[in-house]
Amino acid sequence: ILNVEQSPQSLHVQEGDSTNFTCSFPSSNFYALHWYRWETAKSPEALFVMTLNGDEKKKGRISATLNTKEGYSYLYIKGSQPEDSATYLCASGKTSYDKVIFGPGTSLSVIP
Amino acid sequence: EPEVTQTPSHQVTQMGQEVILRCVPISNHLYFYWYRQILGQKVEFLVSFYNNEISEKSEIFDDQFSVERPDGSNFTLKIRSTKLEDSAMYFCASSENRAGYGYTFGSGTRLTVV
Repeated sequence: ILNVEQSPQSLHVQEGDSTNFTCSFPSSNFYALHWYRWETAKSPEALFVMTLNGDEKKKGRISATLNTKEGYSYLYIKGSQPEDSATYLCASGKTSYDKVIFGPGTSLSVIP
Repeated sequence: EPEVTQTPSHQVTQMGQEVILRCVPISNHLYFYWYRQILGQKVEFLVSFYNNEISEKSEIFDDQFSVERPDGSNFTLKIRSTKLEDSAMYFCASSENRAGYGYTFGSGTRLTVV
């Protein structure tokens, strides 16, 4: 059974702080690691999809890295802003069209 | 930007009733999914659908559940006889089979079984 874990469960940071969270996943039969940003009352929004070991992706102040050999990915937010407050979900899949299995999410609150 | 549309946004139903949740995926996407999230729990996979058939389903997706793509645009999830524990947010998603692209999710249907 594919089990995806995330830590921490929740995080409160001050505006301007940089932060990071972790996603861990089984490294066997890995194909892709997805990160989603999910604001309350909205649909999850795809941030990154990474497939290659050592991949690094960046979108504005948010970046992610991937280590498929050890089965983890980090999401970094530089200079957090209140609008970054959301739940960040990671999900891992075994093939290009397979379902992905979601982690429990990290809930981020950025305090102005 | 293309969107996945789900209707209704909120449905209240009595236990034992049938419900149909509707989704319109993005038109050029080939893969379709239903996920759900029970309040306070993880987002859980229900079923994936490709080439007009189910490609994979989870243990949750028992005989009470079915999916259909009746007209080439809608993608529906039917629950035949709802139970209290079916109360959850149900998300539809679609994707292309292209590296680097994630799912596009709909905004969800909140199902409340009373």
